[in-house]
Amino acid sequence: GIQVEQSPPDLILQEGANSTLRCNFSDSVNNLQWFHQNPWGQLINLFYIPSGTKQNGRLSATTVATERYSLLYISSSQTTDSGVYFCAVLDNYGQNFVFGPGTRLSVLP
Amino acid sequence: EPEVTQTPSHQVTQMGQEVILRCVPISNHLYFYWYRQILGQKVEFLVSFYNNEISEKSEIFDDQFSVERPDGSNFTLKIRSTKLEDSAMYFCASHRELEAFFGQGTRLTVV
Repeated sequence: GIQVEQSPPDLILQEGANSTLRCNFSDSVNNLQWFHQNPWGQLINLFYIPSGTKQNGRLSATTVATERYSLLYISSSQTTDSGVYFCAVLDNYGQNFVFGPGTRLSVLP
Repeated sequence: EPEVTQTPSHQVTQMGQEVILRCVPISNHLYFYWYRQILGQKVEFLVSFYNNEISEKSEIFDDQFSVERPDGSNFTLKIRSTKLEDSAMYFCASHRELEAFFGQGTRLTVV
C-alpha cells in the first residue's frame, strides 16, 4: 500500500518563528489533507490540498502531486500552534486514508 | 458548517465489557470510516463502509469489532469483550467527494 512519511518528527520553535513541515508519499493520490491534533486529541482539519497552494491566515500549504510531496508552512508561530501535525492521503483506490506518523511541534513562549 | 459528531467524548469501561461508539456523519456523505489512535502513536485505519456494507477493513478489525448503520444517520463501532490494549482514541470520518471530515474522537479507556 501507499507509504506516507513526514519530517521532521519533532520540532521546537520560539514563538514568532516560521516553520516548514514536509509530507512525502509513495504513489499518486486522489486527496491530501493536513490536520492538527490539539492537546485534547482532537483532529482539526487544516487543508484539503490534492494539488496547488492554499493559505489560511498564518498557515499555508503546497502540494506538488507530480513529485509526491506536500509542505505545510506556519508563519509567526504561537504557543497555540503546538501539537501534532498529520498529513493523510487517499489512495487511488479510494478505500481509506493513510496517515503519516506526524510532526510534533512545540512552540515555546 | 456541517460536521461529524461523535459520542461519547470519553468512555471508561471494564475489561471484558462491550462498548458502542457512536458517530453521526454529515448527512449527504456516502463513505464512512473508523480510525484508531493508541496514545502517542499513528492514526490507524480500521474499517471503511459504503453502500451499507464494509468496503475494506484492516488487520486490526477482527471479529471483536463490528460496524453498523442502524437507521440511516448513525454509524456505530461495537467492540466486544474489550481488552486493555483497546484503550485509544477512536475517530469517525465521512466523505462524499474526496475531502474527508473527521469527528472530534471518542477516548476509550479500558480498566
